[in-house]
Amino acid sequence: NAGVTQTPKFRILKIGQSMTLQCTQDMNHNYMYWYRQDPGMGLKLIYYSVGAGITDKGEVPNGYNVSRSTTEDFPLRLELAAPSQTSVYFCASSYDLQVCTFGSGTRLTVV
Amino acid sequence: GDSVTQMEGPVTLSEEAFLTINCTYTATGYPSLFWYVQYPGEGLQLLLKATKADDKGSNKGFEATYRKETTSFHLEKGSVQVSDSAVYFCALVGRYRQAAGNKLTFGGGTRVLVKP
Repeated sequence: NAGVTQTPKFRILKIGQSMTLQCTQDMNHNYMYWYRQDPGMGLKLIYYSVGAGITDKGEVPNGYNVSRSTTEDFPLRLELAAPSQTSVYFCASSYDLQVCTFGSGTRLTVV
Repeated sequence: GDSVTQMEGPVTLSEEAFLTINCTYTATGYPSLFWYVQYPGEGLQLLLKATKADDKGSNKGFEATYRKETTSFHLEKGSVQVSDSAVYFCALVGRYRQAAGNKLTFGGGTRVLVKP
């Protein structure tokens, strides 16, 4: 029972590089989310999806893109990385929004 | 839109002290309310929840009561332990007809440090 799996756990990017943060869940959840957590701060919603093929912007979508081609996968794409994107990124999923399961996070540093 | 406000930390306590973390919310209708906990270096875990007015969620000695009249969901624990040191997040999910509106909104988090 893997739950929500995020890869990689750590990454250092140079300014202007791009990367994809992977998120996979094996619980057949329709709802999936990407949050970022800046040091000492709460979580801000980047993008979310209510099902395969459906995505929508959250509070802080600029600089990111997502896709949801399958129920299981919800990758987050960073184009042209900037120092402001240095953060810890959490993926989460939910069946009915009453319980949300989080991944262990990806710590990203942009230098 | 939906929003959650919780008291800023850090909150520093001695072991066996009483803990209260205040949380108030703004949402349309009758949201479900949650407390999530984040231990150092880990992701968030659901601590407790309440889905309707006057419901009390409880888990691991923590309690919170859904107060519709004051739009609050304060977290309490009667006797904290060092192992309760963590960041606590209040959150809500609104109930909207369109599924796209149903997302988890978090407060800013409150760091709690319990000293022996």
